[in-house]
Parts: sequence; C-alpha cells; structure tokens
Amino acid sequence: EPEVTQTPSHQVTQMGQEVILRCVPISNHLYFYWYRQILGQKVEFLVSFYNNEISEKSEIFDDQFSVERPDGSNFTLKIRSTKLEDSAMYFCASGASGSYNEQFFGPGTRLTVL
Amino acid sequence: RKEVEQDPGPFNVPEGATVAFNCTYSNSASQSFFWYRQDCRKEPKLLMSVYSSGNEDGRFTAQLNRASQYISLLIRDSKLSDSATYLCVVKAKTSYDKVIFGPGTSLSVIP
Repeated sequence: EPEVTQTPSHQVTQMGQEVILRCVPISNHLYFYWYRQILGQKVEFLVSFYNNEISEKSEIFDDQFSVERPDGSNFTLKIRSTKLEDSAMYFCASGASGSYNEQFFGPGTRLTVL
Repeated sequence: RKEVEQDPGPFNVPEGATVAFNCTYSNSASQSFFWYRQDCRKEPKLLMSVYSSGNEDGRFTAQLNRASQYISLLIRDSKLSDSATYLCVVKAKTSYDKVIFGPGTSLSVIP
C-alpha cells in the first residue's frame, strides 16, 4: 500500500539554525500539506500546496517558514531560524484530487530545538 | 467558540462496550468531515469520512447533522485495539482548503 514517508524521524537543532524537513508524498497525489503537533496538544494546520504554489496557510506559517517541491517526488518544509517553540512533531500529508480529498499522513519528524 | 470541539474524555470502557464520541464545528461553510485516530506519538490515520446521509464501516458508524453542526462517531463491540485518540476533522470548501483538527477524545478499552 502506498504511503507518505518523512525524513528524518528526529531532528535536533540549536536555536537560530535552519532546518529542512523532507517528505515524499504518495505518488499520484496532487495536494500536499504540513501540520505540526506540539506535545500534548492538537494537530495544527500549517500550509497546503497545490499546483506548485501555496493554496492556504495558517497564522503559524509566518515568514520563517517556506515550502518547496523541488522535484517530482519531494515536498520540503524549511524553518529558517528555529525557535524553542518550534519544537514539535511535524507531519506531512498528501491527498488525491476530489471533493472530499482525504489526507494521508506520514509518520512525522520530531523536531527538538535546544 | 472554538472551531472544532470534542468531548474532552478520557473514555474508559470495557471490551465489548458501545461508545459514542461527539464533535461540533463552528463554521457553517464546512463541507468535508472526517474521523481520524491517533495512537500515542504516531501520525493521525484516517478512520472514515463522514457523509451527509451517515455511513457505517464495520463496527464504526458516523453521523452528520449539518443543521446542528454536529458530527458523531459510534464504536460498537469495542476492542482493546480501539484504544487511541479520536480526532474530528473539518474542512471548509473555499477557494483555499483549510483543515481544522479537533483536540481529540482519548479512548481506553479495558479488558
């Protein structure tokens, strides 16, 4: 069964450093998403991406965040200058086209900012 | 009012019990509804979409009441493996798709 994959599974970084989280969505999907979940809190939407551009972003997704689909398979989330409060689990998801657009999640990257 | 609210839980039920989860949403423009389950420190996994007429998948039944902006999930004959957090997810069909997760309701099925 096709699945979304994410690397690395755990990333530890120093405050102020840049990190890039990587995702490989399901191959025939057209919609891509990033979410984060701070430990013990709910899943929060960050950004959706369709047709090579951002289609929606939340207030969390400020100028320090960016997304890219550099080739036909990868989908990346970059955090330019990490803060302590960026420590969270980051989930990538993808969905096929269609009105219901069910989303399938990757296993997540746990980001720890020291 | 929060965009998506759920029963706070936790729900502790014996094996074989029937348990129901409730969810309300504030945006009347919401058009797609889902239930996901999340195991501890794992990714959310789609359990089922929720259709206007209600739908059933084995032991799971989902209902939608658009007038009351209310969604429910019923689990019959609970199994130990049903222990997880159940997430209500709501999506508004606008020119941009925004997905809102509820805070989740924790379920523990006890032998």
